[in-house]
Amino acid sequence: DADVTQTPRNRITKTGKRIMLECSQTKGHDRMYWYRQDPGLGLRLIYYSFDVKDINKGEISDGYSVSRQAQAKFSLSLESAIPNQTALYFCATSPQGTGGTEAFFGQGTRLTVV
Amino acid sequence: AQSVAQPEDQVNVAEGNPLTVKCTYSVSGNPYLFWYVQYPNRGLQFLLKYITGDNLVKGSYGFEAEFNKSQTSFHLKKPSALVSDSALYFCAVRDFRSSNTGKLIFGQGTTLQVKP
Repeated sequence: DADVTQTPRNRITKTGKRIMLECSQTKGHDRMYWYRQDPGLGLRLIYYSFDVKDINKGEISDGYSVSRQAQAKFSLSLESAIPNQTALYFCATSPQGTGGTEAFFGQGTRLTVV
Repeated sequence: AQSVAQPEDQVNVAEGNPLTVKCTYSVSGNPYLFWYVQYPNRGLQFLLKYITGDNLVKGSYGFEAEFNKSQTSFHLKKPSALVSDSALYFCAVRDFRSSNTGKLIFGQGTTLQVKP
């Protein structure tokens, strides 16, 4: 089983709908992240969390919200989806510690807003 | 501000030839540098990292990268490319200011195409 699991893997939704992307991890890491990938722009950070009581905005948080239900679960919500939120979304985890630890990524959720 | 640049959208190389995927960075202080690879319909896989020490870092699948502080570069290399190396490659950086948060700044990505 994957250490970082994202559901769903693919989703098509209509403009204005609310949608939730889910992420769970078995690595026991405290830190979790949501990134968005767009062609030519790389990955950009949406939100990140250090624990269930610590949620922080990333560089592109507008239009998104998150919930850290448990150490192992971190959900991303689009309250009212719009077409320019069509992208590939990645959840990632990393352990607490020095800056030299790598992040571990899920397999991604491809979201299309029509 | 922290930033990472991958100047080439795509790199084409023949199988068996050496490959280089370029990355330059801008951070305050000493950088932590990473390379990730993304195969089609897959997540990002960690390849290698530079933290400190030897400027030549070896990683997975025969890849290596050279840290050059004076040129603020961290180019990914492989002596002999394989068709299976064809994928999207991302360079990422973390500096000491974000080391506690674990946030990574990513480059735009470079598509590597290895032709048989």
